[in-house]
Amino acid sequence: NAGVTQTPKFQVLKTGQSMTLQCAQDMNHEYMSWYRQDPGMGLRLIHYSVGAGITDQGEVPNGYNVSRSTTEDFPLRLLSAAPSQTSVYFCASSHPRGTGFGYTFGSGTRLTVV
Amino acid sequence: AQSVTQLGSHVSVSEGALVLLRCNYSSSVPPYLFWYVQYPNQGLQLLLKYTSAATLVKGINGFEAEFKKSETSFHLTKPSAHMSDAAEYFCAVNHNTDKLIFGTGTRLQVFP
Repeated sequence: NAGVTQTPKFQVLKTGQSMTLQCAQDMNHEYMSWYRQDPGMGLRLIHYSVGAGITDQGEVPNGYNVSRSTTEDFPLRLLSAAPSQTSVYFCASSHPRGTGFGYTFGSGTRLTVV
Repeated sequence: AQSVTQLGSHVSVSEGALVLLRCNYSSSVPPYLFWYVQYPNQGLQLLLKYTSAATLVKGINGFEAEFKKSETSFHLTKPSAHMSDAAEYFCAVNHNTDKLIFGTGTRLQVFP
């Protein structure tokens, strides 16, 4: 039972490069989200999805795109990396709304943009 | 809009002492509340959750939290700290929506 799997674990990008952070879950969770974690700011929601084909913006969506073509996968795309996007990124998934299950988190991707 | 405030970005206790990490929430409807723990270089792990059943919630590793509606609080406690409790702790709120909103975190240090 893998849970939530994120790849890669570490990445260094040059300013202006693009990349995709991968996230996959095997728990048949409908809800998936991407967060970024920065010192002193906790976790901030970037984008989230309530099911395949449905996505929405969180608190800090600028510079990121997402899509949800399957229940299992929820990739996060950085279109043109900037140093301000240096952060640790977490993907999370959950059972449906109203059940209070909370989210299951991946182990994170540490991204550095130089 | 829902939000959580964690008072104190750093808390230090001696091993064996009481741990108290504070969380206050803002929500117009009864919320779901969560405490997560993050050990160094790891992801977040669910400690406990309040989902409108018992107001005193017991979690893993001897932690518990009490939901107090009158104080809009959900403070995390542990009677006796252990060195292995050193980590960052996050309070989070969700009230029947698709978003889980986190506080800014409290780093717990435990001294021998």
